[in-house]
Amino acid sequence: NAGVTQTPKFRILKIGQSMTLQCTQDMNHNYMYWYRQDPGMGLKLIYYSVGAGITDKGEVPNGYNVSRSTTEDFPLRLELAAPSQTSVYFCASSYSKPRPPPYEQYFGPGTRLTVT
Amino acid sequence: GENVEQHPSTLSVQEGDSAVIKCTYSDSASNYFPWYKQELGKGPQLIIDIRSNVGEKKDQRIAVTLNKTAKHFSLHITETQPEDSAVYFCASQGAQKLVFGQGTRLTINP
Repeated sequence: NAGVTQTPKFRILKIGQSMTLQCTQDMNHNYMYWYRQDPGMGLKLIYYSVGAGITDKGEVPNGYNVSRSTTEDFPLRLELAAPSQTSVYFCASSYSKPRPPPYEQYFGPGTRLTVT
Repeated sequence: GENVEQHPSTLSVQEGDSAVIKCTYSDSASNYFPWYKQELGKGPQLIIDIRSNVGEKKDQRIAVTLNKTAKHFSLHITETQPEDSAVYFCASQGAQKLVFGQGTRLTINP
């Protein structure tokens, strides 16, 4: 298994541009998550999904959108990029069945995004 | 909402010595406490975790202790080695969401 993969690894955006960060997992995990990590800080949850077609906001959702049309993919969309969105973005996934929560999360390698 | 405080923010120890990182959490409903290691340029990797029905768990040189009454948990690394140098994050989880501490940059000096 490749685990959780993310593309691109690096990206520079101009203010006002849009882009989609891709995330794919091949572990048949139902739960998927997007985090951002600012320098010297812990990870903050942006959005999460408990299954295909179901998404919900995390702690810092403003400026982002997500969709979950398949179990494997969970793309993160940035509309009208702002300098405050400069960060490292991590996607994660976890098992959901048949055990009750909580579930261990497995992280991708991250996307480093700079908005100038 | 849930808050996790992690200390220290940086820690430097001599190779072979022990390292201890401490976290406190605010949500008494939290029942899962993982620790992640993040090496430069990589995503966090789970190294050990503990659930609320256990007070201590050990895996080779790594151990985690949990005090639910005081709402704190700690990571202990013994016989530290250069490859232990990384950023370590604690986290707590009640239902679906993990809340992370701010991270500890651990440096092992040869």
